[in-house]
Amino acid sequence: DQQVKQNSPSLSVQEGRISILNCDYTNSMFDYFLWYKKYPAEGPTFLISISSIKDKNEDGRFTVFLNKSAKHLSLHIVPSQPGDSAVYFCAAKDNAGNMLTFGGGTRLMVKP
Amino acid sequence: ETGVTQSPTHLIKTRGQQVTLRCSSQSGHNTVSWYQQALGQGPQFIFQYYREEENGRGNFPPRFSGLQFPNYSSELNVNALELDDSALYLCASSLHGQGRTDTQYFGPGTRLTVL
Repeated sequence: DQQVKQNSPSLSVQEGRISILNCDYTNSMFDYFLWYKKYPAEGPTFLISISSIKDKNEDGRFTVFLNKSAKHLSLHIVPSQPGDSAVYFCAAKDNAGNMLTFGGGTRLMVKP
Repeated sequence: ETGVTQSPTHLIKTRGQQVTLRCSSQSGHNTVSWYQQALGQGPQFIFQYYREEENGRGNFPPRFSGLQFPNYSSELNVNALELDDSALYLCASSLHGQGRTDTQYFGPGTRLTVL
């Protein structure tokens, strides 16, 4: 049973436009969420995180939104750049805090 | 600041063999977590080591075992390899003590192929 799901395997966006990547979770014990970006032949790179006490966190071009009642979070990238092309994973932690539970990833392609 | 490093980069083994993967944590980090990423899937948590002891384990059989050394580096050992063990193995380091917000930083991974 997948506790973290990314229902879109891929997303294609024009350079300069907004990219919106979505993530849903089922475990109500999750209270901290992270987004990672992964290029081929590299490990995941931490992008941005959000605690369940917030509904928005912003860092430059990246903003994460959390809707706890819907158990849904999203990552917005504005404006999108070709260098943003990668696989994006959302991940969640519960209050035990030891392990990250990852979604299956969304491949973002930003076209020049 | 040195990031997380893993060795080897690639490895090919045959079914039934044993393998040891190595990880050096990022400077200043004292906790190491291991993940298995099968093709087309997200990483799955294997276990975490803190103060040289296992500090949490995912849904993996006992033939997956680990060690953490006094310098915080770590090994992942897999015995009796099966074809389904073919995957990218990722190591992540973090600084324990910041609660659930301690961010995990990943190495580049070891690609294991079991024939």
